[in-house]
This record gives sequence, structure tokens and C-alpha cells, in this order.
Amino acid sequence: SAVISQKPSRDICQRGTSLTIQCQVDSQVTMMFWYRQQPGQSLTLIATANQGSEATYESGFVIDKFPISRPNLTFSTLTVSNMSPEDSSIYLCSVEVTGTGISGANVLTFGAGSRLTVL
Amino acid sequence: SQKIEQNSEALNIQEGKTATLTCNYTNYSPAYLQWYRQDPGRGPVFLLLIRENEKEKRKERLKVTFDTTLKQSLFHITASQPADSATYLCALDEGSYIPTFGRGTSLIVHP
Repeated sequence: SAVISQKPSRDICQRGTSLTIQCQVDSQVTMMFWYRQQPGQSLTLIATANQGSEATYESGFVIDKFPISRPNLTFSTLTVSNMSPEDSSIYLCSVEVTGTGISGANVLTFGAGSRLTVL
Repeated sequence: SQKIEQNSEALNIQEGKTATLTCNYTNYSPAYLQWYRQDPGRGPVFLLLIRENEKEKRKERLKVTFDTTLKQSLFHITASQPADSATYLCALDEGSYIPTFGRGTSLIVHP
């Protein structure tokens, strides 16, 4: 399955600043997914990024706060804007696994995540 | 409302025993139920899935059961080893979109 590289792996940021997280996939994929994982919480989908179109955001997430770019089929960025301590979390990039042989199932593979701490 | 419940308390077991983790859900109609493993500082890794019409699935020391009447899946690791220590996430896949994840249960296997 696809190999996903994310950077930075971790960062400590000041309140009010913005940070951009990069996600590189070793193969072309149609959709890329951005998740947030807060301490003790489940993975929460932020948005789906398709190449050539605007990202689709889940309820509770807005483009102004989490702008996403998807310039080609192997790369995406997520920016966390105007950060506050509540944005301290792990942010994960994900793509669907192909070739599982299980028709209709949506299996995901993930990057290692970017651990963000906002002071 | 929709809910996926996994024990928030860590499961502590001795090496060699069978670990059993539970995933309960409400107001979902999953076509598949998936299990992932997540180690500290890593993203989740897919382990196995079970279809709604399957009762049980095995892969090496792993076994998953799925009871759509009880709305529950059980995840078993037999002959557990300290290397099995991790957080295990269940995810409900209704087939039409990507899965929704539970918050996971931490498993600690003591030597």
C-alpha cells in the first residue's frame, strides 16, 4: 500500500501563529484525508482533499481555520491558522488503500502524524 | 445520535493470556467493521476487517467477531506478547464513505 510521509513530525508554536503540515504520498491518489486526534479522543475527519477542487470540510471545521492545498495527486498541505492551545493535537494525513480485494470496503493508511503543541 | 464506544480504561494482561477488546456502536449500519493498531507517535495501521454477514474472522493470533444484533465487535489477541502493547481502534465502515473511528483502547501486556 501507499507510503505517506508527513512533516513536521512535531512542533511547538506560539498562540496566534499558523503552521503548515505537509503530506507526501509515494503514489498517485485521488483523495487525501486530514484527521485530527486530540488526547484521549477518536480520530476526527477534518476534510477531504481532491486534486483540482476545493477541499470538502466536515461539520465543525472551516476553510479559514484549516486551509488545505492539493496541487497534485501525490501532495497536500494542511494549515492550522491563528492557533490557540485548543489546537494542540496530532494531525494525520491518510489515503485509501487499494488492492485489498475487498470490494466496497474503505481501508485507510496513515502517515505518522504531526504532533502540534500550542503555547 | 451515532456513537462508537471502546473502553477508555487501559486493559492490562499478562503475557501469554488472551486479550479481548470490545467495540460497541449505536445508530450505525456498518457494512464492514475494521480494526487498527496505533503505536505512540505513529499513525494507525490497518489489521483486519470483518463483513456484516461474517461472524468471525481470523488472522494469525488475531480474531474478530461481529454481532450486528448486539451491535458489537470483539477483538481477540491470543498468546499475547509485550510487543502487542498498543492502542487498538475500531472503525465502522458503512461502505459509502471512509470509516468512522472509535477512540481506541490501550492494551498493555506485562511480561
